[in-house]
Amino acid sequence: QVQLVESGGGLVKPGGSLRLSCAASGFTFSDYYMNWIRQAPGEGLEWVSYISSSGSTIYYADSVKGRFTISRDNAKSSLFLQMNSLRAEDTAVYYCARYPFTGAFDYWGQGTLVTVSS
Amino acid sequence: QSVLTQPPSASGTPGQRVIISCSGSSSNIESNTVNWYQQLPGTAPKLLIYSDDQRPSGVPDRFSGSKSGTSASLAISGLQSEDEADYYCATWDDSLNGVVFGGGTKVTVL
Repeated sequence: QVQLVESGGGLVKPGGSLRLSCAASGFTFSDYYMNWIRQAPGEGLEWVSYISSSGSTIYYADSVKGRFTISRDNAKSSLFLQMNSLRAEDTAVYYCARYPFTGAFDYWGQGTLVTVSS
Repeated sequence: QSVLTQPPSASGTPGQRVIISCSGSSSNIESNTVNWYQQLPGTAPKLLIYSDDQRPSGVPDRFSGSKSGTSASLAISGLQSEDEADYYCATWDDSLNGVVFGGGTKVTVL
């Protein structure tokens, strides 16, 4: 069965960095586009970034552009999010999600909490 | 402020029909298909409706989606207590080159 498992969250000071990982299993990872989506405490969902199956096409939300970098390792069925220059407003649960041709996030991970605080 | 506009709350008694609206623009809803997600308390979101009106396998047919112009709707027929959740609409935005979400609608079963 399809599984997405995020890791790498934690407490970091403003201006710091963190690298999130998403381990995929149960499907051919290299066939699918992938995304990161986040949810601040008590708030709604916010799309963060998208990467095509080959990694050749990448998009970012304006709120993270220039600070976050999405990448993938198809050989290891893994998705990453490098987060630099973190701010308090980046505090959220970060989800990775699969993105098939339908354009919908059909499978989500359980999320990993990132807290940016001094 | 979210690019897509949803009412913050909706409610109904068991068995009733509840409709949640999602309003957008020509660069998002009118140009691309709409998806709906259900988020039960303390859990990750789950895909409920994709491509405007399609249900993934396992989603009860009580849930239905529709779209017209720059607006979309999610209908829940025969409301049940387990339908208490937050519901989000989402679609691609051609101007922003990214996915946009509605602010979410909290459904309460009275």
